Amino acid sequence: GAVVSQHPSWVICKSGTSVKIECRSLDFQATTMFWYRQFPKKSLMLMATSNEGSKATYEQGVEKDKFLINHASLTLSTLTVTSAHPEDSSFYICRASGNEQFFGPGTRLTVL
Amino acid sequence: AQTVTQSQPEMSVQEAETVTLSCTYDTSESDYYLFWYKQPPSRQMILVIRQEAYKQQNATENRFSVNFQKAAKSFSLKISDSQLGDAAMYFCAYNSQAAGNKLTFGGGTRVLVKP
Repeated sequence: GAVVSQHPSWVICKSGTSVKIECRSLDFQATTMFWYRQFPKKSLMLMATSNEGSKATYEQGVEKDKFLINHASLTLSTLTVTSAHPEDSSFYICRASGNEQFFGPGTRLTVL
Repeated sequence: AQTVTQSQPEMSVQEAETVTLSCTYDTSESDYYLFWYKQPPSRQMILVIRQEAYKQQNATENRFSVNFQKAAKSFSLKISDSQLGDAAMYFCAYNSQAAGNKLTFGGGTRVLVKP
């Protein structure tokens, strides 16, 4: 079946640096990508929605200048956490949606 | 806006027994979808079962079945013959085209399976 990959699966970075997370749909075209954030023992919270070739739509309270989302192709979306701080440490999950929809395996971000 | 509520933070079940997880939701839409997702320790989200709101028949998937009560806006999940591998977080979720195909999640229920 369809698979969605995320890279990296785990990243540790220093405060103030930027981190890019990739989400790829491997065998189907994802017209829409959703990015979620999950804190420990909490539920998934939608951060933003991106349609291929368009600017992302951010949920209320999510800083668009901090969490840059690019969806340049039907198989790739990226989330860049700019100037990361310890409070950005979290688990980030993408969901690719087209004719099918699947979650990526997630990326654990730790900011020191 | 749609909301999804899971009132049970944690449920414990004996292996081979049955456990039921509750979920209620709030919406003004008539056409929508409801899901149960499993999140094991690996944190990969796994679709367990899906229900279309226009279907009266409750969805079943092997040992997993739902009790969908549209008027009451209730969508419970029953896990029969529980296995050790069923231990995980379970999330109820709501989706609709009118809402932009966004998934709205409940707070989750942790299922513990005792051998």
